Amino acid sequence: QSILTQPPSASGTPGQRVTISCSGRRSNIEKNFVYWYQQFPGTAPRLLIYRNDQRPSGVPDRFSGSKSGTSASLAISGLRSEDEADYYCGAWDDSKSGPQWVFGGGTKLTVL
Amino acid sequence: QVQLVQSGAEVKKAGASVKVSCKAGGYDFTSDDIHWVRQATGQGLEWMGWMNPNSGNTGYAQKFEDRVTMTRNTSLSTAYMELSSLRSEDSAMYYCTRGASSLCGGDCDPPFDFWGQGTLVTVSS
Repeated sequence: QSILTQPPSASGTPGQRVTISCSGRRSNIEKNFVYWYQQFPGTAPRLLIYRNDQRPSGVPDRFSGSKSGTSASLAISGLRSEDEADYYCGAWDDSKSGPQWVFGGGTKLTVL
Repeated sequence: QVQLVQSGAEVKKAGASVKVSCKAGGYDFTSDDIHWVRQATGQGLEWMGWMNPNSGNTGYAQKFEDRVTMTRNTSLSTAYMELSSLRSEDSAMYYCTRGASSLCGGDCDPPFDFWGQGTLVTVSS
C-alpha cells in the first residue's frame, strides 16, 4: 500500500485538460516538495515536475504542477494521445518511522 | 549525454542474494547521489535507498535496511545494490537513478532525472 494516494485511473479526450491528484500527510507533501514522474509501459520513469511546479528542460509547458497543504496535483492541458502513460507523484517523507522517499500508487491516464 | 547502464536480468532461488550493477557515463559519477527504486510487475515505485558515490555514505529505507547493501567502485564509475535473503515478493524490476543536485541548488531533495534501463530480478521458490 502506497504512502501517497492517487486515483488509479484518469481519462480525457484530445485537447482536454485533465488533473491527477496526490494526497499525503504533513510529514511528506506538506513539509517537502512534490515531484511527478511519467512512465510508459516497459520503460523507466521520466521526471516531469520537480519542486512542486518546476519543469525540467524538454518537458512541454502543457504539464504543470501545484501543491496546497497535504495535497498536490498534476495538470495536463491540450491532452494528446502520446500523453497516455502512468503518472506517479513522489515526495521525501520525514516520518519518525524512518525518513525515505515515498510515492503514490500511480495513475493510469487513458486518452479516449 | 548522461547514461546509467544496468546489469542483466537475474533469476535467483529464495534465500539467495542478488547484486545489481549500474555503470554511470557522461557526467562526474561522484557529483550526485545514486538511488535505487524497485517496481513489481503492475505495481508502483518503491524507494530502497541512496548512496553518495564520493563518500560512500548510504541511507536505506527502513523496510530494507537489514537486507540491502549499496556500494560503489569510483574507478569504474559503477554503483552496486546487493539484496540478500531473497523472497518471492522481491521479484521486481530494479532501477538505479541519479539524484540531480543541479536541479535543486541545495534547497530541495534532488529529484531523479536519469534512470537506468532496469534489471529484472526473478525469485523462485
